[in-house]
Amino acid sequence: SQKIEQNSEALNIQEGKTATLTCNYTNYSPAYLQWYRQDPGRGPVFLLLIRENEKEKRKERLKVTFDTTLKQSLFHITASQPADSATYLCALDINRGSYIPTFGRGTSLIVHP
Amino acid sequence: IAGITQAPTSQILAAGRRMTLRCTQDMRHNAMYWYRQDLGLGLRLIHYSNTAGTTGKGEVPDGYSVSRANTDDFPLTLASAVPSQTSVYFCASSEVSGANVLTFGAGSRLTVL
Repeated sequence: SQKIEQNSEALNIQEGKTATLTCNYTNYSPAYLQWYRQDPGRGPVFLLLIRENEKEKRKERLKVTFDTTLKQSLFHITASQPADSATYLCALDINRGSYIPTFGRGTSLIVHP
Repeated sequence: IAGITQAPTSQILAAGRRMTLRCTQDMRHNAMYWYRQDLGLGLRLIHYSNTAGTTGKGEVPDGYSVSRANTDDFPLTLASAVPSQTSVYFCASSEVSGANVLTFGAGSRLTVL
């Protein structure tokens, strides 16, 4: 079974709207959760880290929330642009305290002009 | 520019042949990793190394070996390639901390026929 769940269907939105991507996990108590961006033919690039004692983190147009009760993280891109089109991966320590993150399968975001 | 260099970028290989994928980093990171990425399966950890001289097995280590003779280099060897090893391979590195942020290389696309 999938350890970390991300929507396998692409998310299509219009430019200027807020994109919201979801990362769900079960049976783990991660100390942290990370989000990466991956463009076609390239390696993932780190975007944001949020720890278990943090509810929300922001960086420019990006916002991440972390709800350890729901076992869910939401990743928001406000005022989305076509250049935001990419695959977004979440990663967390399924073995609590492990420094090695385990990745979800990613969700593709397509922002239409 | 500091980062990770992977070679080759792409390779077609006959089944049964030996292949080494090279990975070099210039950030003096302690930890290095090898992931494979397959459509629908996401990034899966093959092997990792906490520091020079030590290595560990990830989620899918069978058919692969690694060595870490120094801080900068972390080659991945397929002793006898099989078609199921057709994939995109990513090398990554990080400082060892509570929530390691990974820096990835551009990837090596390997096709085993």
